[in-house]
Amino acid sequence: DGGITQSPKYLFRKEGQNVTLSCEQNLNHDAMYWYRQDPGQGLRLIYYSQIVNDFQKGDIAEGYSVSREKKESFPLTVTSAQKNPTAFYLCASSMSTALAEQYFGPGTRLTVT
Amino acid sequence: ILNVEQSPQSLHVQEGDSTNFTCSFPSSNFYALHWYRWETAKSPEALFVMTLNGDEKKKGRISATLNTKEGYSYLYIKGSQPEDSATYLCAFLGGNTGKLIFGQGTTLQVKP
Repeated sequence: DGGITQSPKYLFRKEGQNVTLSCEQNLNHDAMYWYRQDPGQGLRLIYYSQIVNDFQKGDIAEGYSVSREKKESFPLTVTSAQKNPTAFYLCASSMSTALAEQYFGPGTRLTVT
Repeated sequence: ILNVEQSPQSLHVQEGDSTNFTCSFPSSNFYALHWYRWETAKSPEALFVMTLNGDEKKKGRISATLNTKEGYSYLYIKGSQPEDSATYLCAFLGGNTGKLIFGQGTTLQVKP
């Protein structure tokens, strides 16, 4: 069953703690992306990676970090420096071409109190 | 930051009605325009990737048109069904960066 998985579905953390969101894909896609969704807004790009061991900042990278050590995996760490971490986080992947459609995971809803 | 606007924000129609909504995007440095459907409790799924001015794409009762010179795309749904209820997202790709800029979406509710 090919696809993209994110875990957990819901995550609760105390303010000041770092938290890592998992994203795994078995689609053999080169490119992976992290988006954030807030109510009434479109998906905003946090980080993306077009190839293993390389990644670039998106539009709202501050307070986040990523790694891309394996093709299948692109974990996102929400650090304590992120001022408004409570949000819905979506991971996606695509073939390497910029024209390729993106395949999305089910998302993780992070609540920080 | 480039702006992608979708209208209307939400739409309620009766089953059988045809409907359409708009995605506006920058007309310069156009590379591609993506449409996605996002049903509640599911992941967004790609509908179309459009690249050429004047392009028209169709998938069942859903079709889309593209005008890159004036910077807009229309999504049409013919004979809406309750299962068409979802949020429809468009995303602009400017240049060969791989970075999509999403609109805020149009949420469609089809009443039986």
